[in-house]
Amino acid sequence: GAVVSQHPSRVICKSGTSVKIECRSLDFQATTMFWYRQFPKKSLMLMATSNEGSKATYEQGVEKDKFLINHASLTLSTLTVTSAHPEDSSFYICSATYPRQVSYGYTFGSGTRLTVV
Amino acid sequence: GQNIDQPTEMTATEGAIVQINCTYQTSGFNGLFWYQQHAGEAPTFLSYNVLDGLEEKGRFSSFLSRSKGYSYLLLKELQMKDSASYLCAVLDSNYQLIWGAGTKLIIKP
Repeated sequence: GAVVSQHPSRVICKSGTSVKIECRSLDFQATTMFWYRQFPKKSLMLMATSNEGSKATYEQGVEKDKFLINHASLTLSTLTVTSAHPEDSSFYICSATYPRQVSYGYTFGSGTRLTVV
Repeated sequence: GQNIDQPTEMTATEGAIVQINCTYQTSGFNGLFWYQQHAGEAPTFLSYNVLDGLEEKGRFSSFLSRSKGYSYLLLKELQMKDSASYLCAVLDSNYQLIWGAGTKLIIKP
């Protein structure tokens, strides 16, 4: 159980364009999903918490106008990197957990490696 | 502030046993997780401890002492495929996950 699917796994885009990353919970309803980014050899950095039907909660220092998060349904959250720049190149990962079942752990999507050229 | 400490890197030999330690200082505690992450991949869940003691799962065991703010992950009968980063994360009183920087484990033949 607790399968999270993330798409695409890799994307290369030109500077100034926007990229959308999808995160789906396949076998459960995730009222909350989390978006992380990870730089090489660094730990996960929480960017925002995505709540179904409401605005996302962004961590300090994360530009909400640049990283648009939409959680329109109980099984889908999307992260859009707008006007991407080379410094946005990173590994982006989403995660979710069974509601009220913390002991199951937070399941991660397979990640999206974004390269902005 | 909230803080999780774990060694940056460890080296062990195939077939041996290794213990990866994690100490934490957080605002509240609702459990501690261990994750394994291979290079270029997303983390995968290994264990969750919320009560003191040892939890065993095959070759992997995880221990928790809440009074000491301490946990360890024990890996037995090491295999080359165990070479990865091991991440310790604590769920604080707001149910927010606080992540350690990870321990890179290198297994040598």
